[in-house]
Amino acid sequence: AQSVTQPDIHITVSEGASLELRCNYSYGATPYLFWYVQSPGQGLQLLLKYFSGDTLVQGIKGFEAEFKRSQSSFNLRKPSVHWSDAAEYFCAVAAYNDYKLSFGAGTTVTVRA
Amino acid sequence: DAGVIQSPRHEVTEMGQEVTLRCKPISGHDYLFWYRQTMMRGLELLIYFNNNVPIDDSGMPEDRFSAKMPNASFSTLKIQPSEPRDSAVYFCASSPYRDEDTEAFFGQGTRLTVV
Repeated sequence: AQSVTQPDIHITVSEGASLELRCNYSYGATPYLFWYVQSPGQGLQLLLKYFSGDTLVQGIKGFEAEFKRSQSSFNLRKPSVHWSDAAEYFCAVAAYNDYKLSFGAGTTVTVRA
Repeated sequence: DAGVIQSPRHEVTEMGQEVTLRCKPISGHDYLFWYRQTMMRGLELLIYFNNNVPIDDSGMPEDRFSAKMPNASFSTLKIQPSEPRDSAVYFCASSPYRDEDTEAFFGQGTRLTVV
């Protein structure tokens, strides 16, 4: 079965600084990979997804992620964070033709002024 | 579309009582998922449906939990009897899962507190 590890529980970043959130997955074949964001008291919103093709994926809100098969990673990046980016971020994986998402434990991002 | 709609948003109940959580998926989405989110276990898939049929309920924790989808626009998750350890946020999600449309759209969740 597939699984996801997000090594960082909490990250604090200054407004305007760059952000990188790490995600490592475990799956024997090419997975479907996702990043979701959850603001307090809200549901999850999809930032971006990867299925195939270009390994650098652009998402909403200025986020991007790069799939690296050799490292089994799908790290999320943003060049310059805004205070509104403070939230919890979840990496998720699904197997090909399997519709169940397996989520990582999440990374909480705090943005300081 | 209004998105995935869950009700109620908050539920407080006493141990032993029956609890029913409701979900209206996005019209045209064939797949519906119920997830539970807790501090200890994170986001867990409880059950999912395809075209109103339960496909995988291996994540349902106990027989106290049951889920139904009587039609394409409505699903329920029932806990009977409820216990304090059931306190969590329960999310419903739906997806069309057509070609590259494999995004799951989440509702805002129901925060359940069992006292």
